[in-house]
Amino acid sequence: GAGVSQSPRYKVTKRGQDVALRCDPISGHVSLYWYRQALGQGPEFLTYFNYEAQQDKSGLPNDRFSAERPEGSISTLTIQRTEQRDSAMYRCASSLVMGPWNEQFFGPGTRLTVL
Amino acid sequence: SQQGEEDPQALSIQEGENATMNCSYKTSINNLQWYRQNSGRGLVHLILIRSNEREKHSGRLRVTLDTSKKSSSLLITASRAADTASYFCATDAEETSGSRLTFGEGTQLTVNP
Repeated sequence: GAGVSQSPRYKVTKRGQDVALRCDPISGHVSLYWYRQALGQGPEFLTYFNYEAQQDKSGLPNDRFSAERPEGSISTLTIQRTEQRDSAMYRCASSLVMGPWNEQFFGPGTRLTVL
Repeated sequence: SQQGEEDPQALSIQEGENATMNCSYKTSINNLQWYRQNSGRGLVHLILIRSNEREKHSGRLRVTLDTSKKSSSLLITASRAADTASYFCATDAEETSGSRLTFGEGTQLTVNP
């Protein structure tokens, strides 16, 4: 079956512009997660949703970052007034169930470059 | 901050040899998961081991978990060139149960043909 998909796969933008990154989770998956990964490092948690409810946004770096999942399926991560330090791979993951034993399946990521 | 720390940072072996990677973490966990990342590609889920399990197998992979030492190991037997990748451990901490995974910085495995 189809895995997690993300779009665009690559995004180049100029400093100060807003960007919206999309995640389409595996069909039926309840939980959706956003991570950011710098080169040579592991992913770092940003935020997550159960259904349409944002459960934890403590990993968002600042108030320029926001995320939504209005219908409990597709999610959008928005970065306003982008800065060069926002350049990274942004990864989305989904899991079938909530709770402590959920496997998280990752999408291919969106490579964001801010010039 | 990264809870998991993989050791070694880089490992180079010959095809057919076994590869062992270690992961240490700091807090109590619900589970620990191992992922593989090929160059420029996505994260592939390999195996999940629960806090009440000590060992788990999947094909050529064997994962152990020692919660008393807060450590885990991933063994890949009879390695192949296609196993060349970065391997990450990720923990699901009890205090943030089921929400976030905390990743280490990974072990870069190179399997030489």
